[in-house]
Amino acid sequence: QLQLQESGPRLVKPSETLSLTCTVSGGSININDFFWGWVRQSPEKGLEWIGSVYFNGTSYNPSLKSRLTISADTSNNQVSLKLKSVTAADTALYYCVRFWRYWGRGMRVTVSS
Amino acid sequence: EIVMTQTPLSLSVTPGQPASISCKSSQSLVHTDGKTYFFWFLQKPGQSPELLISQVSNRFSGVPDRFSGSGSGTDFTLKISRVEAEDVGIYYCLQTKQVPPTFGQGTKVEI
Repeated sequence: QLQLQESGPRLVKPSETLSLTCTVSGGSININDFFWGWVRQSPEKGLEWIGSVYFNGTSYNPSLKSRLTISADTSNNQVSLKLKSVTAADTALYYCVRFWRYWGRGMRVTVSS
Repeated sequence: EIVMTQTPLSLSVTPGQPASISCKSSQSLVHTDGKTYFFWFLQKPGQSPELLISQVSNRFSGVPDRFSGSGSGTDFTLKISRVEAEDVGIYYCLQTKQVPPTFGQGTKVEI
């Protein structure tokens, strides 16, 4: 059974970069066959697709594109998220997803000074 | 972006009774490849969303047959033939026809 585990700082200061890593176990990251990426959830915006990575590149939510980098490290079985210049609006529960079947348990990240 | 609108936003049901949730999209979800990129998820309390149905009506592996999806174009429905206690949570619809994929606001189902 594929398992996804998010990790990273739970508290990030405004204007800094939010960095999360998703470590996959129970199988390999196969970006040739599946889309991998991130979804976040907040009371204000509900469920919001952040972006994805596939063998032929990345796809980002236009609302986040200028600040966002998603990448896959197949040798370490990890997917990463970097979101620059964060504000309080980026406070959310961040999920790693192998779209759309497998979800991590989510990691709550708060943006605050 | 495509806006997904669910109704109702909350639903109180009696075990053994049917339930129905509607989701409407702001534009057709039929792709040029002929497929309709529409999903239903259930987020149980304290858990991550779990996939129930893909492409309008295809139940995912292990999903009980009391769940059924229907619809076309812009109007979609999730039906539970006989609600059980384990069905409580928030149901979300999702379109992936167009980037960005967008979710409905969610329908909270309570017993």
